[in-house]
Amino acid sequence: SQQGEEDPQALSIQEGENATMNCSYKTSINNLQWYRQNSGRGLVHLILIRSNEREKHSGRLRVTLDTSKKSSSLLITASRAADTASYFCATEPNTGGFKTIFGAGTRLFVKA
Amino acid sequence: DAGVTQSPTHLIKTRGQHVTLRCSPISGHKSVSWYQQVLGQGPQFIFQYYEKEERGRGNFPDRFSARQFPNYSSELNVNALLLGDSALYLCASSSHPGLSEAFFGQGTRLTVV
Repeated sequence: SQQGEEDPQALSIQEGENATMNCSYKTSINNLQWYRQNSGRGLVHLILIRSNEREKHSGRLRVTLDTSKKSSSLLITASRAADTASYFCATEPNTGGFKTIFGAGTRLFVKA
Repeated sequence: DAGVTQSPTHLIKTRGQHVTLRCSPISGHKSVSWYQQVLGQGPQFIFQYYEKEERGRGNFPDRFSARQFPNYSSELNVNALLLGDSALYLCASSSHPGLSEAFFGQGTRLTVV
């Protein structure tokens, strides 16, 4: 089974609103990353947060990580129609070896 | 500077055939990972190679194999194709596994008929 689970599965908002997506995972991790995917093609890296970090910002993106709850959130502020995409969290389990585990994703639709 | 390149972009194969997918990482990147993404789902980890050695393997059957060449490019091989192997196959490169962001190619869309 996949390590990360995103919530909600789908989200529809108006342009200008904020979008919040959540991710939960099951085992200890080295880091957690968020990716965006447009139209089922290649993924674009958004942000990486390490296990000893609690919050990171990048432009309109804010990511939080709570290792005690094994959860992360991605906030997109002042959303735009171009933000319409699928968003995935990906974790690097701290179990030896290298193995990036993706969740099923949140499908965000931003209405103009 | 070229990003991650994958070839071919699309491929149609018949059940039982073999397929080879190719990936060239970003210049200077020594780590390559392969993922399978079925429509509507997140990418599933298949393999990770770093410095030409396998460093991670996902829960895929032995029909799936990969290798990394001295120039750090990589091939993913799938034998005895099944209908369920139809998916988007993604390659990602990074400077170091687990510690740095990964850059993805546009993928190879494999259809098995």
